[in-house]
Amino acid sequence: EAQVTQNPRYLITVTGKKLTVTCSQNMNHEYMSWYRQDPGLGLRQIYYSMNVEVTDKGDVPEGYKVSRKEKRNFPLILESPSPNQTSLYFCASRRDRNQPQHFGDGTRLSIL
Amino acid sequence: QKEVEQDPGPLSVPEGAIVSLNCTYSNSAFQYFMWYRQYSRKGPELLMYTYSSGNKEDGRFTAQVDKSSKYISLFIRDSQPSDSATYLCAMGGTGFQKLVFGTGTRLLVSP
Repeated sequence: EAQVTQNPRYLITVTGKKLTVTCSQNMNHEYMSWYRQDPGLGLRQIYYSMNVEVTDKGDVPEGYKVSRKEKRNFPLILESPSPNQTSLYFCASRRDRNQPQHFGDGTRLSIL
Repeated sequence: QKEVEQDPGPLSVPEGAIVSLNCTYSNSAFQYFMWYRQYSRKGPELLMYTYSSGNKEDGRFTAQVDKSSKYISLFIRDSQPSDSATYLCAMGGTGFQKLVFGTGTRLLVSP
C-alpha cells in the first residue's frame, strides 16, 4: 500500500529536549515536505526537499532542521523544542513538481 | 489579506443535500488547485486535483475553478454522514515548490 508513515504519532516532552520525528514514504517520490497545522492558521510549510541532499526553507523554518540522506526518508529535528512548537505536524510527498501532495497521518507534539 | 480565504464553518446540512464549499485567492499565478478532506486525527486526503480553469467531476464530487474571479468551489451531491470532515482547498503555481492552503471548512452532515 502506498503511504507516508510518520513516527511517533503522539509525543509529550519538555522544553529543550532534542527530538526527531521520522517520515518515510514507499512511493519513490522525489519531493517531500513538512507542515505544521495550527487552529486558524491552517497548514504551513516548514521545510521541503526536492531530492536527496537538496532541502530548502518553507514559510516557518525557525527552530527546525531536516535532512534527506535517502530518498524515502525525511526526518524533522527539533534541536531545542519550545512550547510555541506545540502543534500537529504532517509529512507529505509527491512524485514531481506538478503533482499533488500525499500526507501522512500526523504527529501531535506537546512541548511543556 | 491572506493569499487564500476559506470560511471555517461549521456548515451543517441534512443527509442528501448538495453542499457547496468555496475558496477565494489573490495570487493570479496559481495554476493548480486541489481539494483535500481531513477526518479527525488523520492526515489530509486528496479529493480533487485540477489544472487551470474549468470543471472536473468524480462521482459525487465536482470541482470548479474560475480563474477570472479567483474563486474555486467543491460541490458534493447526495451528501452522506461519512462526508462529515474538514475540507481544505490548496493551490500552487507552475512547478510549485509549496502549496498554499486555506484554513479549512468543517462540514457536518446529519442523518
